[in-house]
Amino acid sequence: GAVVSQHPSWVICKSGTSVKIECRSLDFQATTMFWYRQFPKQSLMLMATSNEGSKATYEQGVEKDKFLINHASLTLSTLTVTSAHPEDSSFYICSARDFEGKRGGTGELFFGEGSRLTVL
Amino acid sequence: SQQGEEDPQALSIQEGENATMNCSYKTSINNLQWYRQNSGRGLVHLILIRSNEREKHSGRLRVTLDTSKKSSSLLITASRAADTASYFCATDAVSNFGNEKLTFGTGTRLTIIP
Repeated sequence: GAVVSQHPSWVICKSGTSVKIECRSLDFQATTMFWYRQFPKQSLMLMATSNEGSKATYEQGVEKDKFLINHASLTLSTLTVTSAHPEDSSFYICSARDFEGKRGGTGELFFGEGSRLTVL
Repeated sequence: SQQGEEDPQALSIQEGENATMNCSYKTSINNLQWYRQNSGRGLVHLILIRSNEREKHSGRLRVTLDTSKKSSSLLITASRAADTASYFCATDAVSNFGNEKLTFGTGTRLTIIP
């Protein structure tokens, strides 16, 4: 079964509203989670690294005030797209590393199923 | 910037044939991984090869790594219709901090024709 859960799997919202996407590690603790964005038929682009208990590290060109990341616990990171616009429509994917969990703690990276955001 | 470039961008083969995809990267790496993505879904980890390894097998998958050429290949033997998906290579940058982040290649869209 899935070890990283994303919710919602898809969301449609009106322009100007904010949308929150959750990423949960189900049976391991993840001090670090990663948020990616993927446009149709393109590769994954890393947006930010989410660090438990501290501020996220954003990649160049990603607006931190636009894409708010909160990693309040060892099993949950959230990405909030604030004041969403049609150009924010995309597929957002999170991943988490298992360094200490039940799955051997190998540091393997597990991905969520992604969240498709459509902004009207 | 994209670390990995993959070729071909798209590949269509008959079921039963072998499929080969290539990935090139630019900087030093700890390891290289291959992922599969079905349309509109998340990524599934296929195989990881470390920088000190040259070849690795997993079922019908064979991965090679040439660090001198900064390139890797993924071979899927005896392809099946269910192998239709996009395949991405991802490199793990050399870092001392233990939270290395992956950089993905551009991907190869593989279509297996029944």
